[in-house]
Amino acid sequence: QLVESGGGVVQPGTSLRLSCSVSGFTFRNFFMSWVRQAPGKGLEWVAQLTDDGSARHYAGSLRGRFTISRDNSKNTLYLQMNNLRVDDTAVYYCVRRSVSCHPLCYYYLDVWGEGTAVTVTS
Amino acid sequence: DFQMTQSPSSLSASVGDRVTITCRTSQDINVFLNWYQQRPGKPPRLLIYAATILHSGVPSRFSGGGSGTDFTLTISSLQPEDFATYFCQQNYHVPYIFGQGTKLEIK
Repeated sequence: QLVESGGGVVQPGTSLRLSCSVSGFTFRNFFMSWVRQAPGKGLEWVAQLTDDGSARHYAGSLRGRFTISRDNSKNTLYLQMNNLRVDDTAVYYCVRRSVSCHPLCYYYLDVWGEGTAVTVTS
Repeated sequence: DFQMTQSPSSLSASVGDRVTITCRTSQDINVFLNWYQQRPGKPPRLLIYAATILHSGVPSRFSGGGSGTDFTLTISSLQPEDFATYFCQQNYHVPYIFGQGTKLEIK
């Protein structure tokens, strides 16, 4: 189970940190991602973090403003969002990435939280 | 830049119909393509990974096809619960972008 928190209504230029509390599986064994969805729009992949926190990848447009991190001792994933813009308004989903090898290894997002809503407005 | 084109953007069909959604990529991604279903107000749900492999618990009326740059998601006989929005996603290289989505509506 993935439970996001930390969303809310904020002004442009401010910061927000989202959290995702994980239970029901061994968190430290999985890569994790954030995916967002603006109101009435499609899905946008935001960022991914390796199981040990050693490597991060971001959507190009977000690099430098967003930081993904994790605390494996607390089973928690984070997304630090700085200098927020109106177009960052979205529901943010915490997602587990799993792998299956046949024999090539394939990756997919198989466990999703319910999401936390972020609204950036003046 | 890597591009993904999903079509159609919307589709009207009836219960029992067979429907196919397509996803085209601008670069060869082998079979590193996944499909997700999203019902209103709910998070997405994984249907198919590696272009053709049905995720655990997904009904067999869903099937995926394709490789390289052209992919399909087919629902063989639509059920009422299948009316939702469907997204493809490439996981060949970062950023793991999604298609624009196909909204499947009841005719």
